[in-house]
Order: sequence, then structure tokens, then C-alpha cells
Amino acid sequence: AAGVIQSPRHLIKEKRETATLKCYPIPRHDTVYWYQQGPGQDPQFLISFYEKMQSDKGSIPDRFSAQQFSDYHSELNMSSLELGDSALYFCASSRTTGVAFFGQGTRLTVV
Amino acid sequence: AQSVTQLGSHVSVSEGALVLLRCNYSSSVPPYLFWYVQYPNQGLQLLLKYTSAATLVKGINGFEAEFKKSETSFHLTKPSAHMSDAAEYFCAVSDSNTGNQFYFGTGTSLTVIP
Repeated sequence: AAGVIQSPRHLIKEKRETATLKCYPIPRHDTVYWYQQGPGQDPQFLISFYEKMQSDKGSIPDRFSAQQFSDYHSELNMSSLELGDSALYFCASSRTTGVAFFGQGTRLTVV
Repeated sequence: AQSVTQLGSHVSVSEGALVLLRCNYSSSVPPYLFWYVQYPNQGLQLLLKYTSAATLVKGINGFEAEFKKSETSFHLTKPSAHMSDAAEYFCAVSDSNTGNQFYFGTGTSLTVIP
């Protein structure tokens, strides 16, 4: 069965650079979520989209933005990167009445 | 507001022994509860979910969890631990079946001793 695809799997950026993470949800899933998991921490909710509209917002820094496109894939844009942004970023998708399934994550390292 | 507390950041069991990972939740509305497993360098995999149907929920890999409203608990159990069960386990709560926003516990690292 198709799963949530995230790209890239690994990303290394320097401080103050910009990064774009991509998420391709499971086919026919209309909701996408983004989570950030710092080293040794639990995943923290960043933002979610339903039918291409932002549906919920968590602890997402103002330097980050995200959107969901017409094909339901989503991108998380991160600017002015800081060392503390180094983390595993998860995307998850669900259908309106379904459980969220998570992708493998993108490991971002800021140096 | 919803939150979960996982008691014990590290649990060690012998192979073949009972696995018990504790999770207590706090929710102002009827909760939906989930257990996820995370293997090293991998994403989160859904083990099982409680969505107000049967209070005893069976998941994959022989795991199950029981929803106890009186105790606000959703502990994860497995009768006999296997070496492949070694992983990080996260309990999560949301306020709808869509899981619009999950609130995760801090995780429990399970070690299985041969």
C-alpha cells in the first residue's frame, strides 16, 4: 500500500539558509500535518491543512510557512535557519474520518 | 485541552516477559487515543487506536491497550516481549477521529533483554 512520502530524507543547511521540505500524502487523503521532533523529544505539532486550507496551527515559528497544493502535496518552508531547527520533521496524512499515517521523516541538520 | 503522560521514559523487560507501557491522558472532551512505535531512524508507525468503540483495542504485532475512563489511562501491553519490540513508543491523544492535532507523550524507550 502507498505510504506518506517525504523528501528529502536528509538535509544539511547552514545557519540563515532556507530549506524546503516536501510531503506527498497517501492517495485520497485530504489532510496533511507537520510535526517537528527534536533530539530525544516527542513530536510537536506545527501546522495542518485540510483541502488545501490551513486547518490548525501549533508551535510553528514565524520563520516557517507551509502550504498544501492542488494535488494535495504539502511543502514546509523554513527560512533564516537556526541551529535549534535541527530536528526530524514528520509529515502525516489522513482522510477526514481516518487515522493519520506518518511518513519516514526528513532529518534536517543546521550547521 | 488534551495531554498525555507516559510514566517511565525507559522500560526494560526480558525476552518473553510481559510488556506494560503506561499512558495517562487528560482531555476535556471524549478522547481519541493512539499508540505509535518508532524504530531507530524511522518514522512513526500506528500500533493501535481507541475511538470510543471497544475499550480493549488490539493492534499490530500482538500489542493491545485498554481504555479505562475511570483511571484516565490507556496502557499498552504485550504478553510476551520479542527482541524486535525494542523501540520508542509514543502515546498520543486527539479530540477527533481525524486526529486534527495529536498531542504526544514524551515517549517510552523499550529495551528487550535476551
